[in-house]
Amino acid sequence: SQTIHQWPATLVQPVGSPLSLECTVEGTSNPNLYWYRQAAGRGLQLLFYSVGIGQISSEVPQNLSASRPQDRQFILSSKKLLLSDSGFYLCAWSGGSGTGVISPLHFGNGTRLTVT
Amino acid sequence: QKEVEQNSGPLSVPEGAIASLNCTYSDRGSQSFFWYRQYSGKSPELIMFIYSNGDKEDGRFTAQLNKASQYVSLLIRDSQPSDSATYLCAVSGDSGAGSYQLTFGKGTKLSVIP
Repeated sequence: SQTIHQWPATLVQPVGSPLSLECTVEGTSNPNLYWYRQAAGRGLQLLFYSVGIGQISSEVPQNLSASRPQDRQFILSSKKLLLSDSGFYLCAWSGGSGTGVISPLHFGNGTRLTVT
Repeated sequence: QKEVEQNSGPLSVPEGAIASLNCTYSDRGSQSFFWYRQYSGKSPELIMFIYSNGDKEDGRFTAQLNKASQYVSLLIRDSQPSDSATYLCAVSGDSGAGSYQLTFGKGTKLSVIP
């Protein structure tokens, strides 16, 4: 069966510090991978998605970046964190999609980031 | 701007009753619809997905889709206190260049009273 691992679970970082969150998927190949953020009292916001190695699409302009160095590895980074980057960061994977039809997304356990 | 609207609640139902959660969406071209359950402090967990008009049942859960009315709902029969959580509706949409992504509603908080 497929599993998704995301770490760390919690993180407290000062403003201006760098960030690296990692996510790996097991039990499937060539998954679609996603990074979402859920800020307090707000809905899930899609940050990045990837349909293959080295292929990254950004949904929201910001000081975050994403990379997919391996098929089942997705990394979210920042060079300098802002207070507004605080939130619950979720990695997710899905199978291939058809035209207009999306396979279900499966989420990791998330990373709760607090920028102080 | 694609929108997915849900009543934020809280929706309170007694144990054993039917809970009805509703969601409307703005993109007429949407073809994939999902319901997720999110316990406080946890990540969303997939409950059901539906692609075609009508009803889809899985155990105590029934998803209902009406594309003409741009409306999707989730019914929970025999509600249990363990069903108390926030329920997120997610709808697919074309984000450009033939890429389809999910837009999530802000969720409805359900409280099942013992």
